[in-house]
Amino acid sequence: EVQLVESGGGLVQPGGSLRLSCAASGFTFSSYSMNWVRQAPGKGLEWVSYISRSNTIYYADSVKGRFTISRDNAKNSLSLQMNSLRDEDTAVYYCARAQESYYKVNYFDYWGQGTLVTVSS
Amino acid sequence: QSALTQPASVSGSPGQSITISCTGTSSDVGSYNLVSWYQQHPGKAPKVMIYEVSKRPSGVSIRFSGSKSGNTASLTISGLQAEDEADYYCCSYAGSSTVLFGGGTKLTVL
Repeated sequence: EVQLVESGGGLVQPGGSLRLSCAASGFTFSSYSMNWVRQAPGKGLEWVSYISRSNTIYYADSVKGRFTISRDNAKNSLSLQMNSLRDEDTAVYYCARAQESYYKVNYFDYWGQGTLVTVSS
Repeated sequence: QSALTQPASVSGSPGQSITISCTGTSSDVGSYNLVSWYQQHPGKAPKVMIYEVSKRPSGVSIRFSGSKSGNTASLTISGLQAEDEADYYCCSYAGSSTVLFGGGTKLTVL
């Protein structure tokens, strides 16, 4: 059974940092690209970042230069280092496995349960 | 990177059909047949209902169908049931491994 379990969320002050993790199991982690998607309270989904099987990386403009995605295939783990956090980064952060079509993200077939990040003074 | 445009809410009675639209641009929805739709119940993670415009993952009811014309994709739910009440999000590949979501549509089953 495919499982994605996020951790690391919590309360942080504006300007602070936080590192999220996603533990993957039930599939060959190294064979899939992975993503972070967030959802602000009462709002819609927002794609945050992508990392391919070969560590090609992309970010949404809203987090570029502040967030860093990484993966450890040996530990079946995905991470998101979040620096210079702002109030508007407050959200539930989901890790999601992507199915790809000719190296293009096709859809997200498995999602974690999410971890809440609250940025507030 | 502007979000795709969806109606904020739609409603229908049990047994009826509803359609949710998702409008993008020629750079995303119009350029790729990589549109997917997600159902999200309160407090739960999203679940994929449609991918590649009109394909259903295994286990998804045939009552869910998708289509696309130009820069607009659509999700149709036929034979509405109470359990279909949820938020629905469209999603499109937008180039350079980036993805855009729609703002979401709240479906109310009357």
